[in-house]
Amino acid sequence: GAVVSQHPSWVICKSGTSVKIECRSLDFQATTMFWYRQFPKQSLMLMATSNEGSKATYEQGVEKDKFLINHASLTLSTLTVTSAHPEDSSFYICSASWGGNTDTQYFGPGTRLTVL
Amino acid sequence: KQEVTQIPAALSVPEGENLVLNCSFTDSAIYNLQWFRQDPGKGLTSLLLIQSSQREQTSGRLNASLDKSSGRSTLYIAASQPGDSATYLCAVSGNQFYFGTGTSLTVIP
Repeated sequence: GAVVSQHPSWVICKSGTSVKIECRSLDFQATTMFWYRQFPKQSLMLMATSNEGSKATYEQGVEKDKFLINHASLTLSTLTVTSAHPEDSSFYICSASWGGNTDTQYFGPGTRLTVL
Repeated sequence: KQEVTQIPAALSVPEGENLVLNCSFTDSAIYNLQWFRQDPGKGLTSLLLIQSSQREQTSGRLNASLDKSSGRSTLYIAASQPGDSATYLCAVSGNQFYFGTGTSLTVIP
């Protein structure tokens, strides 16, 4: 089956620093990747959609300059949380889809970010 | 390891019918359970979130129940509409997310 990995699985950083989270499709080419986040006791919410080679489409309320998404290859997308604040502490999860005739999304295991 | 199963894999109903989607999970040690909707080529849309201490949640024509002891959740859709056609996913949250395989729903006008 299709496998998606995320790295790191958890990270603790100081306020004001930047953190990069990687999402990789290990055994398939992902034309589309999605980034989600979940705050404690809240629903998992879509942040942005990225297609390989083009700019990400951000959901309303998500700051594109704060959450930088790069999808430079068909197997890798990165989410960089810039100038992190404690309120950015959350669980971030990506999913990947190879498009075509199927829209199945394959999810990574997630990254738990804690900003001190 | 947590396993999440959804039955049926696909469902086709005429408009106006009430329907039930099923989700089962093997490990009852969860923080919450969520139901999502996925439209073709789009990210997931969160429909309902049930905390582990709750038994059900309602939003409009949607009602989701949770029975942790039996490892089951159901999503009830009342008076289905063609616009409800989509894939519905459930996911349980423990130390990480575990997603079900989805139910593809088609509502026929």
